[in-house]
Amino acid sequence: DAKTTQPPSMDCAEGRAANLPCNHSTISGNEYVYWYRQIHSQGPQYIIHGLKNNETNEMASLIITEDRKSSTLILPHATLRDTAVYYCIVMANFGNEKLTFGTGTRLTIIP
Amino acid sequence: GAVVSQHPSWVICKSGTSVKIECRSLDFQATTMFWYRQFPKQSLMLMATSNEGSKATYEQGVEKDKFLINHASLTLSTLTVTSAHPEDSSFYICSPGGRTYEQYFGPGTRLTVT
Repeated sequence: DAKTTQPPSMDCAEGRAANLPCNHSTISGNEYVYWYRQIHSQGPQYIIHGLKNNETNEMASLIITEDRKSSTLILPHATLRDTAVYYCIVMANFGNEKLTFGTGTRLTIIP
Repeated sequence: GAVVSQHPSWVICKSGTSVKIECRSLDFQATTMFWYRQFPKQSLMLMATSNEGSKATYEQGVEKDKFLINHASLTLSTLTVTSAHPEDSSFYICSPGGRTYEQYFGPGTRLTVT
């Protein structure tokens, strides 16, 4: 699986949009971009994934650059409950594929 | 999303004893189970992968005789930490495989060995 690079930490004011970047310059054509988050002392939670088109769901939006070498996860109106470590993962298969977690971005939402 | 439970959610045991952690996939049949562990302030690391009815595959550096994994049914997998030592204190998380696009994780079990 391709390697990803994320900033180690970010702060965001409550109510503002949180934009979390991820670089995956060596991503292959068949690899998806997945985002997970882990709230303290809980198991990781799936957020969103995409291949090349931008995606949106009830939790977040995912913007993938045209060359697919980077992406941004957007939490449109951050709340204190969004404080967590966010992991960007690229992988080709799903379901039965193990996930390789990097160090992620520790997002802190500030009241 | 998928419902995954783990039991116990936390456990304290004495050095030298064994601890069993259960992981249940409550709403779908998991042909594969991933077991991860997470040390404080670190990321999740895969320990082993098990397939229902067969032996688990362990990642490099994980002792298979110490971390016994049983995946006897499609909804239940167990991880037994044998002869636990303080360095085994960690957060253990299971993740059932077999679904399309998304992988879900259990809530985790915090093990403290004294």
